[in-house]
Amino acid sequence: QKEVEQNSGPLSVPEGAIASLNCTYSDRGSQSFFWYRQYSGKSPELIMFIYSNGDKEDGRFTAQLNKASQYVSLLIRDSQPSDSATYLCAVNEDSNYQLIWGAGTKLIIKP
Amino acid sequence: DVKVTQSSRYLVKRTGEKVFLECVQDMDHENMFWYRQDPGLGLRLIYFSYDVKMKEKGDIPEGYSVSREKKERFSLILESASTNQTSMYLCASSLRTGGSAFFGQGTRLTVV
Repeated sequence: QKEVEQNSGPLSVPEGAIASLNCTYSDRGSQSFFWYRQYSGKSPELIMFIYSNGDKEDGRFTAQLNKASQYVSLLIRDSQPSDSATYLCAVNEDSNYQLIWGAGTKLIIKP
Repeated sequence: DVKVTQSSRYLVKRTGEKVFLECVQDMDHENMFWYRQDPGLGLRLIYFSYDVKMKEKGDIPEGYSVSREKKERFSLILESASTNQTSMYLCASSLRTGGSAFFGQGTRLTVV
């Protein structure tokens, strides 16, 4: 059974600090890693994705992969109250139609 | 921008009714998905389709069926609604196998 695990939180971070979210995955063959943000009552929206060959930075967001330990991280620099949401991690093997989803981490940015 | 549109934002149905949830995407994506999301359980895949008229069961297909007669439209059918099907239903599409999924706005279904 392929699994993706996330700490449910809530993770509370002061405004302006770095928020660090982690996601562990069970399948060593995983090739693609996705981070979604979901505001309460809304649908998930894609923030960024990375492949197994490297990390990625996009504005205040950085996704990092640690293949040896099988986890992927999302760092949010200069956290803003508008970053308060649940963050979902999803993982995939390229040959598979399905994304395997974590249950999400609730992030609260305190002004 | 990819647009995935679900027919209803909120829906209230009675136990035993047949319920249709419609989803349309405008980006010519091959793959479409139906999920349900419940507190503490995350996203659970009900059905997906990788081509017109093709469908595959996800993790929780019982009590549901789907239809994909046109590439842009994927319908979820609750054959006989039950209270344990009260949930948020999310439709998504993706261009390629295992690629980024783009979600509709969700349908919050309440079965009474």
